[in-house]
Amino acid sequence: NAGVTQTPKFQVLKTGQSMTLQCAQDMNHNSMYWYRQDPGMGLRLIYYSASEGTTDKGEVPNGYNVSRLNKREFSLRLESAAPSQTSVYFCASKVTNQPQHFGDGTRLSIL
Amino acid sequence: GQQLNQSPQSMFIQEGEDVSMNCTSSSIFNTWLWYKQDPGEGPVLLIALYKAGELTSNGRLTAQFGITRKDSFLNISASIPSDVGIYFCAGLTSGTYKYIFGTGTRLKVLA
Repeated sequence: NAGVTQTPKFQVLKTGQSMTLQCAQDMNHNSMYWYRQDPGMGLRLIYYSASEGTTDKGEVPNGYNVSRLNKREFSLRLESAAPSQTSVYFCASKVTNQPQHFGDGTRLSIL
Repeated sequence: GQQLNQSPQSMFIQEGEDVSMNCTSSSIFNTWLWYKQDPGEGPVLLIALYKAGELTSNGRLTAQFGITRKDSFLNISASIPSDVGIYFCAGLTSGTYKYIFGTGTRLKVLA
């Protein structure tokens, strides 16, 4: 069972470069989420998608865009990367009335 | 953004000891979740709580949903080396899709 799959696992970017982080789930979940995790900060919600075709901003959406491509896939895009976006990014998915399941994360460094 | 107060921030304990940690919030939640995160991996769900006063166990782990719905507790009995990791609480308000995460308790077990 793959669960939630994130690609890539690691990435280094230069300031100003763009990049798309990919997330796919094979559990037929309706809702999908993107979080960032910084030391001492826990997980902060960037964007979420309650269902296919809808997306909403979370706590820290600035500098990011998302696309819910279909029920399985939810991508996160950095149009112009900044050093402050260096973080570990987690994707999660869930079905109504059930807890979230997380991927293993993408470790992103921006120089 | 809103985050839960989770304590302690870190713990060093001897193998075989019991562990207690808690989360408190200024907001009422209808769901409390406890996750564990190992290095280089995503959070993995340990216990989910859906009702005030609920006490739920998962092996050596026991979690409780506080009566006020503003707090939750996690206990680990007879700790073992593989309990090492970061433990996160998360709360969810009914009718929303946004989970609020605690800042984590980093547990280290000394053999």
